Amino acid sequence: EDQVTQSPEALRLQEGESSSLNCSYTVSGLRGLFWYRQDPGKGPEFLFTLYSAGEEKEKERLKATLTKKESFLHITAPKPEDSATYLCAVQATTGANNLFFGTGTRLTVIP
Amino acid sequence: GAGVSQSPSNKVTEKGKDVELRCDPISGHTALYWYRQSLGQGLEFLIYFQGNSAPDKSGLPSDRFSAERTGGSVSTLTIQRTQQEDSAVYLCASSTFVGLGANYGYTFGSGTRLTVV
Repeated sequence: EDQVTQSPEALRLQEGESSSLNCSYTVSGLRGLFWYRQDPGKGPEFLFTLYSAGEEKEKERLKATLTKKESFLHITAPKPEDSATYLCAVQATTGANNLFFGTGTRLTVIP
Repeated sequence: GAGVSQSPSNKVTEKGKDVELRCDPISGHTALYWYRQSLGQGLEFLIYFQGNSAPDKSGLPSDRFSAERTGGSVSTLTIQRTQQEDSAVYLCASSTFVGLGANYGYTFGSGTRLTVV
């Protein structure tokens, strides 16, 4: 059964304090791993798709990396506006076309 | 429109009543998904529409839940005889090409917050 576990559940950082969020996954065959950002009262906003181990993608202060068992979302010198819940999801090569989501990491960046 | 539009944004209903939630996807997006997000839970897949193919209903939690997509565009999620455990945020998403190697991501709407009292 597909499984996505995100850690930590919540993270508080000082502005400028870099850190990483973890997404561990188990899937029969990985079609893609997705990162989303969700602000309160809003739907998730797409950030990245990663397809194969060793792949990296960057966007502003965010960098996502992928191994065969986990993905990391690295946040460099975060700002208060980076505060949000970050969701990880996987899509399997077999079966349904839907994404299977983790429960997210709630990030708070303190000025 | 520019994004995925969902209505209503909030809905309070009495236990046992039926509700209809609407999703208007991005024009030209052939794939449409419904998810449910409960407090402290991850997004739970409900149903998926792709073009004119039969929908994937594998995520619907009970036969009280149904959805349709008319003309390949607007979709309606219907919950009959609502129960308190149906309270959640119902999110709709749409996307373009679905396939291996496609660098796509869903575009989500802001959701409908359903409260069953």
